[in-house]
Amino acid sequence: EVQLVESGGGLVNPGGSLRLSCAASEITVSNVRMSWVRLAPGKGLEWIGRIIPNTDGGTTAYAAPVKGRFIISRDDSENSLFLEMNSLRPDDTAVYYCAASMWRGVTAPSYWGQGTLVTVSS
Amino acid sequence: DIVMIQTPLSLSVTPGQPASISCKSTRSLLDSDGRTYLYWYVQKTGQPPQVLIYEVSNRFSGVPDRFSGSGSGTDFTLKISRVEAEDVGIYYCLQSTQLPLTFGGGTKVEIK
Repeated sequence: EVQLVESGGGLVNPGGSLRLSCAASEITVSNVRMSWVRLAPGKGLEWIGRIIPNTDGGTTAYAAPVKGRFIISRDDSENSLFLEMNSLRPDDTAVYYCAASMWRGVTAPSYWGQGTLVTVSS
Repeated sequence: DIVMIQTPLSLSVTPGQPASISCKSTRSLLDSDGRTYLYWYVQKTGQPPQVLIYEVSNRFSGVPDRFSGSGSGTDFTLKISRVEAEDVGIYYCLQSTQLPLTFGGGTKVEIK
């Protein structure tokens, strides 16, 4: 059974940084398209960005609200995905989900982690 | 960016009755490879989203056959033939045809 386990969430001051991790099992993060998606309080799901396999170019893509502030990376040896978040703002407060696509060449998630809460507040 | 417009915002359904959610996109979701990357998810309280339907009309593994998806181009529908108590949650459509991926605003399904 595929498992994605996020960690690293917490309370951070506006302007601060945080690094989220996502440990995967029964799926190889280097072989599939991995995304981060967030759910802010009282709002709907928002896709943040994704990274694709090296065999497809290994590139990342981001949604406009986080572009230039957030960076997605992975460690193939740890089979983990990361989200580095910089210049955090109160409207970045959300539950952040790590997600993986089982479909070749597709970014839409088929597996999701349980999420980790990030609160940006002074 | 492609905007996904979901209606209604909320739905209150008697158990055993059908329910239907509409999702319209501001651009056709038909990709140049001939596939349409439209997905349906449900998020139940305290849980991560789970995929119900992929590429318009394909039920994901383990999804009951009372769930069905249809549509093409810019117009899509998720139908629940007979709503059960366990179907309570917020339903989202998602397009993956073009970056950035975009979700519909969500439809909250409640039981009467």
